[in-house]
Order: sequence, then C-alpha cells, then structure tokens
Amino acid sequence: QKEVEQNSGPLSVPEGAIASLNCTYSDRVSQSFFWYRQYSGKSPELIMSIYSNGDKEDGRFTAQLNKASQYVSLLIRDSQPSDSATYLCAVGVYNFNKFYFGSGTKLNVKP
Amino acid sequence: EAQVTQNPRYLITVTGKKLTVTCSQNMNHEYMSWYRQDPGLGLRQIYYSMNVEVTDKGDVPEGYKVSRKEKRNFPLILESPSPNQTSLYFCASTAGSNQPQHFGDGTRLSIL
Repeated sequence: QKEVEQNSGPLSVPEGAIASLNCTYSDRVSQSFFWYRQYSGKSPELIMSIYSNGDKEDGRFTAQLNKASQYVSLLIRDSQPSDSATYLCAVGVYNFNKFYFGSGTKLNVKP
Repeated sequence: EAQVTQNPRYLITVTGKKLTVTCSQNMNHEYMSWYRQDPGLGLRQIYYSMNVEVTDKGDVPEGYKVSRKEKRNFPLILESPSPNQTSLYFCASTAGSNQPQHFGDGTRLSIL
C-alpha cells in the first residue's frame, strides 16, 4: 500500500470553476501536510502547508485536513489556465524524519 | 535569494561511468534530501541527511551514495550507473521534516 495516494487525473475544469484535489495517507503518525504545484519539467513549488484539522485559506487556495479520516484536500477557487499543472500531496512523518509524496494529480483548466 | 542549486541540469552518460550530482543550499538548513521522479511514481526519496555526517536511506537507495561533509552541500554519487537510474532527480532542503521543502531545479539524467 502506498503511503500517500492521489488520483492521477487528469482533472479537467472550466476556467472560473472550483478545482478539488484529494489525497489520502496511510501513516497515522504523519504530522505535517503539504501541497506542491509542479509544472511540466520544473521543480515542485510549495502552495500550502497544513498541520492541524480544519481548513486553511490562502488567496484562492484552501487546504483541508481531516486526520481521523487520513484525508487532505486542496480547493482552488476561480481556477485559471495558469493553474494547469500537476499537484503533489506530501506528508511529513516527524518521528521518522521522512517525507512521502503522492504521484500527483494533473489538473487542466480549460479557457 | 534563498535557493537550492543542483548541477548539472542535464547529463547523458554511459553505463558504469561514475558520476556525481552536486547540491548546495544557502538557507542553513539542517535537513537535505535527494529524490527521483519517474512517470506515474511520483517523487521517491533516495537518501536524506539530518545534519553534517548524518545520512540515512530513503525508500530507493540502491545504487546511490551520498555524503554530507558540510552543512550546505549534499552530493549524490552514482558509482556504477545503470539504465534503470535514468530519471529526473531533485535535491531539496528544509529546516525539518515538519517544514516545507525547497527544491532545486532538477537534474535530468540519462544512462545509456
């Protein structure tokens, strides 16, 4: 079983819509959660970090964490074509000093 | 400017010819990692280092070596590269495993 699972997509949404990206993780001691955006051939760049249950908003982005369900999501409001990229979910396991990444969800925002 | 610098960005080489990919960070981070990224498999951790002279295996360490003699540098060594090590490699650094990572621009490695 993979440590972090994401739907590979592609997820297609029209411009201006809300894109919802989901991620589940298997390690119950995971303590830090991250969403990265990666354009083709480029390095991952951090969008959001979240550490406690609930929602965290930053501009058009909202991260949601539910530790009981081992589930973390990213909502992108008012999606733009420039949001078209692969979104990587990552978890940090502090006790083991390790990070695990999902395989990423490819998002296509259509003009 | 805070950055992680990897070199080279691209490398084509042949099986068995030792190579080193360098990584340097200017953020005084203690934690550094190497990842490889393959289609459909996401980022997989090869090795990581918690501090100078402290390294540990990630999930796919076979065929790789690392060293951490200085805090800012964390080179990845392939002593006898093989075609299955053809991949996109990223170096990353962070203040700790509860903090986000900063990634280098990547090294695209092709082993023929």
